[in-house]
Amino acid sequence: GNSVTQMEGPVTLSEEAFLTINCTYTATGYPSLFWYVQYPGEGLQLLLKATKADDKGSNKGFEATYRKETTSFHLEKGSVQVSDSAVYFCALSGYSSASKIIFGSGTRLSIRP
Amino acid sequence: EAGVVQSPRYKIIEKKQPVAFWCNPISGHNTLYWYRQNLGQGPELLIRYENEEAVDDSQLPKDRFSAERLKGVDSTLKIQPAELGDSAVYLCAAVLYNEQFFGPGTRLTVL
Repeated sequence: GNSVTQMEGPVTLSEEAFLTINCTYTATGYPSLFWYVQYPGEGLQLLLKATKADDKGSNKGFEATYRKETTSFHLEKGSVQVSDSAVYFCALSGYSSASKIIFGSGTRLSIRP
Repeated sequence: EAGVVQSPRYKIIEKKQPVAFWCNPISGHNTLYWYRQNLGQGPELLIRYENEEAVDDSQLPKDRFSAERLKGVDSTLKIQPAELGDSAVYLCAAVLYNEQFFGPGTRLTVL
């Protein structure tokens, strides 16, 4: 079945450092891929998405590229801020975000001032 | 999160007690999901509704869990009786413009 594997946390970085959170997936067909973020005390929010191979999703300085050849969707940001501290979830769905979403286990990110 | 309301936000009960969670999704949108998020894990689907109909409840532990969505708007998820392992955050999500929006969740603690 479909599944998502992401980098285990916690990840602790200094402000302005470069961030990469790895994510790989297993799926049949052509899934849509997502990164969700969960800030402390808040609900899940969609951060970015990509719906086909080679698409790049981007939002708030974060980027991820849908790599079908490596079945990956790594999250990157060039310069993190303290306000980026949160839990990040890689996820996939069979068709769109309206479909059932399968989540990875989450990566907790903490940014030091 | 905006537009999906869940209550209560927190619930503490003793094992074997019943508990219910309520979700009010974005008005007018037909698809609703309930997920369970265990500590340190990603959410896992419990049940999906299209209007009043449960179209995917394969992951719902039907011996103790039940859900309903009367009139295709609000939904209630119930556990009876609760077990220690049911401690988790229960998330409701609604689909708007082909995207799922999540509520803040109900954090359940079973003692």
